[in-house]
Amino acid sequence: NAGVMQNPRHLVRRRGQEARLRCSPMKGHSHVYWYRQLPEEGLKFMVYLQKENIIDESGMPKERFSAEFPKEGPSILRIQQVVRGDSAAYFCASAWGTLSSYEQYFGPGTRLTVT
Amino acid sequence: GENVEQHPSTLSVQEGDSAVIKCTYSDSASNYFPWYKQELGKRPQLIIDIRSNVGEKKDQRIAVTLNKTAKHFSLHITETQPEDSAVYFCAASMNYGGSQGNLIFGKGTKLSVKP
Repeated sequence: NAGVMQNPRHLVRRRGQEARLRCSPMKGHSHVYWYRQLPEEGLKFMVYLQKENIIDESGMPKERFSAEFPKEGPSILRIQQVVRGDSAAYFCASAWGTLSSYEQYFGPGTRLTVT
Repeated sequence: GENVEQHPSTLSVQEGDSAVIKCTYSDSASNYFPWYKQELGKRPQLIIDIRSNVGEKKDQRIAVTLNKTAKHFSLHITETQPEDSAVYFCAASMNYGGSQGNLIFGKGTKLSVKP
């Protein structure tokens, strides 16, 4: 009964490169949320996806960032042309998504370092 | 949009004492209030949650209370132990199009339990 999986756990990119972060939800969960955590700060919502649909992307920067959750495979958060300010821990969480089960369970995070 | 304030930012207690962390929220439509514990370098872990139709919930040494009128909720930890030392985050969310929306987090409370 695996929990939420994220890979890679650590990612180093030079400025201008692309970063791809992957999230596999818990078995049976069809809802995925991405959050960003800057050092010594709280978690900030970025995007909420269901299979093949973006439900809410109000927390995601309009440029360079995109997310998807295809019918098959993990959810992917993509950051193009990374800058130093993108250095952070990126967590995804998954949930059943029903109104009878609200709990969100977090993955171990991907720590992105931009040099 | 929703805003969650959390106090105190740091809290130091002696082992065996109680610890209380308080949060307020701004949007009366919020209906779900989880608490997460995050140890250094680890994922946030759900420790207890409460829905808006309940005033209090307890799980062993941990309890959460909710005052909908005042829009505040609190985490109570009794008989604290050194392993309770971590950063604690409160959060709030509301229904979003037939499912549960994203979490809005407080900025966290760093709890230190001294042996």
